[in-house]
Amino acid sequence: DAGITQSPRHKVTETGTPVTLRCHQTENHRYMYWYRQDPGHGLRLIHYSYGVKDTDKGEVSDGYSVSRSKTEDFLLTLESATSSQTSVYFCAISAVRDRGNEQFFGPGTRLTVL
Amino acid sequence: QQQVKQSPQSLIVQKGGISIINCAYENTAFDYFPWYQQFPGKGPALLIAIRPDVSEKKEGRFTISFNKSAKQFSLHIMDSQPGDSATYFCAAPNQAGTALIFGKGTTLSVSS
Repeated sequence: DAGITQSPRHKVTETGTPVTLRCHQTENHRYMYWYRQDPGHGLRLIHYSYGVKDTDKGEVSDGYSVSRSKTEDFLLTLESATSSQTSVYFCAISAVRDRGNEQFFGPGTRLTVL
Repeated sequence: QQQVKQSPQSLIVQKGGISIINCAYENTAFDYFPWYQQFPGKGPALLIAIRPDVSEKKEGRFTISFNKSAKQFSLHIMDSQPGDSATYFCAAPNQAGTALIFGKGTTLSVSS
């Protein structure tokens, strides 16, 4: 998985609780992304980061926040989890942008919100 | 919102046959079109990608064909094998060039 780990790999939580997912890379890549994958929707971008403390929103960012205090770590937080946020979450990394944006994905975190 | 339209949603092919998956894209910041392969319980893995200097790229049994004027590209899997059974995603850069936009995926089943 290209030096990318995600934790936890599985989580079950209750509606209204905060949840933080972690992505850790050992590649020293500049760009990091959070996607969610749902049946019939494919992969949808939640947030991305183009450097330490530099982040921006993707197409489905409502209800999510992110932080990146170190190159190697990108955190995704669900401030108050809802059942609609039940999904599989993937982190991805990329070394360059303009010449290809070649992304490599982590193993995923399966989140269930009851 | 920018979209990448992928078809078919699912595909069943006999072993040894040709699998073809198509994608259509809208305006992009630059031309780079990857295909990802995903097995159950795993993250998507980069399979093959094409840049605009060529209209076709081949890697083993996998070929991307690219038609810039039609804004379409496709993945061909020759001599399909049961081990190719997976979900395939196409992608294209968004208009800002900051991320990839993915198609909704094609589930391929290769029967033996």
